Amino acid sequence: EPEVTQTPSHQVTQMGQEVILRCVPISNHLYFYWYRQILGQKVEFLVSFYNNEISEKSEIFDDQFSVERPDGSNFTLKIRSTKLEDSAMYFCASGAQGHTQYFGPGTRLTVL
Amino acid sequence: AQKVTQAQTEISVVEKEDVTLDCVYETRDTTYYLFWYKQPPSGELVFLIRRNSFDEQNEISGRYSWNFQKSTSSFNFTITASQVVDSAVYFCALTSRGKGAGNMLTFGGGTRLMVKP
Repeated sequence: EPEVTQTPSHQVTQMGQEVILRCVPISNHLYFYWYRQILGQKVEFLVSFYNNEISEKSEIFDDQFSVERPDGSNFTLKIRSTKLEDSAMYFCASGAQGHTQYFGPGTRLTVL
Repeated sequence: AQKVTQAQTEISVVEKEDVTLDCVYETRDTTYYLFWYKQPPSGELVFLIRRNSFDEQNEISGRYSWNFQKSTSSFNFTITASQVVDSAVYFCALTSRGKGAGNMLTFGGGTRLMVKP
């Protein structure tokens, strides 16, 4: 069964460094998303991406964040200058037309 | 604005008990979609079910059943004869036919279910 994959599973970085989180969505899906979950808290929407552009973003998704679909398969989230409060689990999700979003296993980001 | 409330933060049951997880939602949209996701200790988010706002029929899948009531804006999830493997955090979520193709999911705070042997 097709699934969303994410790499790396765990990323440790120093405050102020740039990180790129990678996702491979399900191959025939057209809608892509990033969410984050701070430890023990609810899952929060960051951004949605469709037709090669951002379709919606939350207040969390400020100028430090960017997304890209550099080729036909990958979908990346870049954090330009990480802060301590960016430490969280980051989930990529993809969906077809039916509104159901399928999530990847997540990348745990730890900012020291 | 959309909101999902899961009032039960933690539930503990003994194996084979039935358990119901509550979910109450708020939205101004007339067309919307409700979801349940399971997050086991390993951390991934597993899709369980989607319900459309125009379809109030309840659904059963094995030991799982869902009760959607528009009149009370609730979408409750019942596990019958719970098992230890059901131990997880369960999230209720909502999306609506919003602007563009966003379809952002709004999640509730989650209910941690612990099933003891």
